[in-house]
Amino acid sequence: AQSVTQLGSHVSVSEGALVLLRCNYSSSVPPYLFWYVQYPNQGLQLLLKYTSAATLVKGINGFEAEFKKSETSFHLTKPSAHMSDAAEYFCAVSGISSGSARQLTFGSGTQLTVLP
Amino acid sequence: DAGVIQSPRHEVTEMGQEVTLRCKPISGHNSLFWYRQTMMRGLELLIYFNNNVPIDDSGMPEDRFSAKMPNASFSTLKIQPSEPRDSAVYFCASSPGLAGTNTQYFGPGTRLTVL
Repeated sequence: AQSVTQLGSHVSVSEGALVLLRCNYSSSVPPYLFWYVQYPNQGLQLLLKYTSAATLVKGINGFEAEFKKSETSFHLTKPSAHMSDAAEYFCAVSGISSGSARQLTFGSGTQLTVLP
Repeated sequence: DAGVIQSPRHEVTEMGQEVTLRCKPISGHNSLFWYRQTMMRGLELLIYFNNNVPIDDSGMPEDRFSAKMPNASFSTLKIQPSEPRDSAVYFCASSPGLAGTNTQYFGPGTRLTVL
């Protein structure tokens, strides 16, 4: 079985401040990990993904995430928040074995608010 | 590429009516997923197809829900009869393959309101 826990359903930061969104995973197989972003009234779009090639993954819009196996974490960061980063962020995990582990399991999401 | 196309974008219907949601995946993608998103339950995977064949429908909430994929470029999700608790945003996503490292590309969603 696989699961994802996102700590903090709501995070607020000031414009220009560091963004840190937390994600911890549980997986019985080597995981692939994803961060998706959802802007209001839109579908989800991929920010970045970890595919075991490198533990530090860079994505779009200045976001990056680091895979830490010892901590079972895949936290998302951005050095300086912009107003346009306000959105909901989803962490997701998939595996390579059969059945449900081959599909994406999403976390419950974190709503990011950027204050002027 | 036009991306994943869903129609309608908004649907308002009365309890007991049949609702059909439509999805056109990205050309060349052979996996298709239907999700439902609500405030209470978050994002739920309802069913997914690979090469037009349903692989896992264990997420379909009730027999009132059914999904088909008659060809590689079209899928439908049908609710009959609809109930107020079916109100949600329904997303279709497509992918070059099943999970693993494959990215799922989401459509804009259909916002369903059942009165």
